[in-house]
Amino acid sequence: NAGVMQNPRHLVRRRGQEARLRCSPVKGHSHVYWYRQLPEEGLKFMVYLQKENIIDESGMPKERFSAEFPKEGPSILRIQQVVRGDSAAYFCASSPIGQGGANTIYFGEGSWLTVV
Amino acid sequence: DAKTTQPNSMESNEEEPVHLPCNHSTISGTDYIHWYRQLPSQGPEYVIHGLTSNVNNRMASLAIAEDRKSSTLILHRATLRDAAVYYCILGNYGGATNKLIFGTGTLLAVQP
Repeated sequence: NAGVMQNPRHLVRRRGQEARLRCSPVKGHSHVYWYRQLPEEGLKFMVYLQKENIIDESGMPKERFSAEFPKEGPSILRIQQVVRGDSAAYFCASSPIGQGGANTIYFGEGSWLTVV
Repeated sequence: DAKTTQPNSMESNEEEPVHLPCNHSTISGTDYIHWYRQLPSQGPEYVIHGLTSNVNNRMASLAIAEDRKSSTLILHRATLRDAAVYYCILGNYGGATNKLIFGTGTLLAVQP
């Protein structure tokens, strides 16, 4: 998938623990997106970030979820005090400098979070 | 965000062409039409996109209606590996963000 690297691929957490999902975009891409896919459901947009800035977080739950994309290093999606309903596949995607509607977004293989 | 409408599922036979339709009657003049697909347990994969003219690449062809209110993704010879959910999405050129909003897509089954 064009070089977007996500880790861990699979993560198991107990209720109340924290989950950290990491995403390294395609080299040279400065835009990162996070999507969530609940079991048997479609992909839901969560957040769109550029380096050191959150551009659109309209899909992020109001509590327990946060995302960052620092100047150096991967983008991190952090889920605090996980609950069973957070069990899902989390996909990261990246794109080069914004191209508006012609933008092609490249996805990673996803991180599967299971909360027990 | 402009909406798209796709059939929930379609079936095809291996080695035959597949035409996946998408309606987007409320498309605006600056909306691009994107197609992605998602194989089981994998991340979405870019297939093709276009604005007004028909487009071809190594994976597929995109036929866009003259009024742009509908489009068709064409897989010229379906293989078993093409079994996936196919998403038709509109992306707004010059919009405030570059995010793509996924609908429910079309589940394509390919029979041997």
